[in-house]
Amino acid sequence: GDSVTQMEGPVTLSEEAFLTINCTYTATGYPSLFWYVQYPGEGLQLLLKATKADDKGSNKGFEATYRKETTSFHLEKGSVQVSDSAVYFCALSSLKGGNQFYFGTGTSLTVIP
Amino acid sequence: EAQVTQNPRYLITVTGKKLTVTCSQNMNHEYMSWYRQDPGLGLRQIYYSMNVEVTDKGDVPEGYKVSRKEKRNFPLILESPSPNQTSLYFCASSFYPQGGGGANVLTFGAGSRLTVL
Repeated sequence: GDSVTQMEGPVTLSEEAFLTINCTYTATGYPSLFWYVQYPGEGLQLLLKATKADDKGSNKGFEATYRKETTSFHLEKGSVQVSDSAVYFCALSSLKGGNQFYFGTGTSLTVIP
Repeated sequence: EAQVTQNPRYLITVTGKKLTVTCSQNMNHEYMSWYRQDPGLGLRQIYYSMNVEVTDKGDVPEGYKVSRKEKRNFPLILESPSPNQTSLYFCASSFYPQGGGGANVLTFGAGSRLTVL
């Protein structure tokens, strides 16, 4: 079945460091891919999305490119800030079986000044 | 403001005492869903609904019930809670994508932390 595998955490970085969080997926058909972010004590909110191969999603300095050949959707940011500290979830949505969503296990990021 | 509202936000209960977690959205979304979040397991889907009176099981439906009598509401019912249902629960909603593809973005509630003793 469809699934998402993302990099285990936690990840600790210094402010202004480069961030990569790896995400790979398994899916039949052509899923949409997402990154959601969860700040402490809050629900998940959409960070960025991509709906087809080679699409690049971007938001707040974060980017991810939908790579069909490597079934990946890695999240990157060139210079992280303390305010980026949160848990990041990679996810896919598939219309197979009636609009299912699949989430990775989440990667906790802490950025220290 | 467009939002998904869950209640209660925090609840401590005892084994076997029936409880309901309510979820309401004001965006006229067709699709609604419940997830539980557990450490190391990420989010797992419990039940989902594609429209009024249409519900289906997700990956971990055992011990839960849902109903969708109105478009805006999607309550989660635990008929006889057990300690293994201690978790953080999220309700989410979206428009149902028309045709193939399309990014049906989920809007999440703030979460309900449930402890079953």
